[in-house]
Amino acid sequence: DAKTTQPNSMESNEEEPVHLPCNHSTISGTDYIHWYRQLPSQGPEYVIHGLTSNVNNRMASLAIAEDRKSSTLILHRATLRDAAVYYCILKETSGSRLTFGEGTQLTVNP
Amino acid sequence: NAGVTQTPKFRVLKTGQSMTLLCAQDMNHEYMYWYRQDPGMGLRLIHYSVGEGTTAKGEVPDGYNVSRLKKQNFLLGLESAAPSQTSVYFCASSQLSGRAGGELFFGEGSRLTVL
Repeated sequence: DAKTTQPNSMESNEEEPVHLPCNHSTISGTDYIHWYRQLPSQGPEYVIHGLTSNVNNRMASLAIAEDRKSSTLILHRATLRDAAVYYCILKETSGSRLTFGEGTQLTVNP
Repeated sequence: NAGVTQTPKFRVLKTGQSMTLLCAQDMNHEYMYWYRQDPGMGLRLIHYSVGEGTTAKGEVPDGYNVSRLKKQNFLLGLESAAPSQTSVYFCASSQLSGRAGGELFFGEGSRLTVL
């Protein structure tokens, strides 16, 4: 499975934008990039996914580098509820599995 | 809709005992998964199923068995529990949509302690 690298932790202030980076230098041409987050004491929840183009939804934006070797999850205005572990995952096209790494622990300061 | 429901939510076992975790989903999803999460770590895939009557091994399948006799249920069994299986177990389901893969919906987790 292609691997992703994320910082262990990041901090942000409430109502400021947050940019969560992910490196995936071994990504294959058809792997999708998925982001999930896990709030304390809960199961993970889907955030967003994309292939080549930048993607937006109600929760976040996903910016994908032109060479696809990295991506950035953007939370436009962080709230206290956004404090969670964020996982960047590559979806292998030949299978149906998502392999989670250790993610980035995001702390949001009031 | 309840989504993905796991039972039980908490369980304490003694070494060598057996138990079954039940995962039920009401979204008519084809794909179901069992993950485990140890403290401070990410999720690791134990087993998964791509449809009724099918199962496949994930990253850490040893010591576990699974069955998918009905589309809506995915059972995870521990035949002889060991302290190393103390963990939080998450079930998930998805309806695969093309190569992108469907969104995974997770249950709330089942906390298992093996003494």
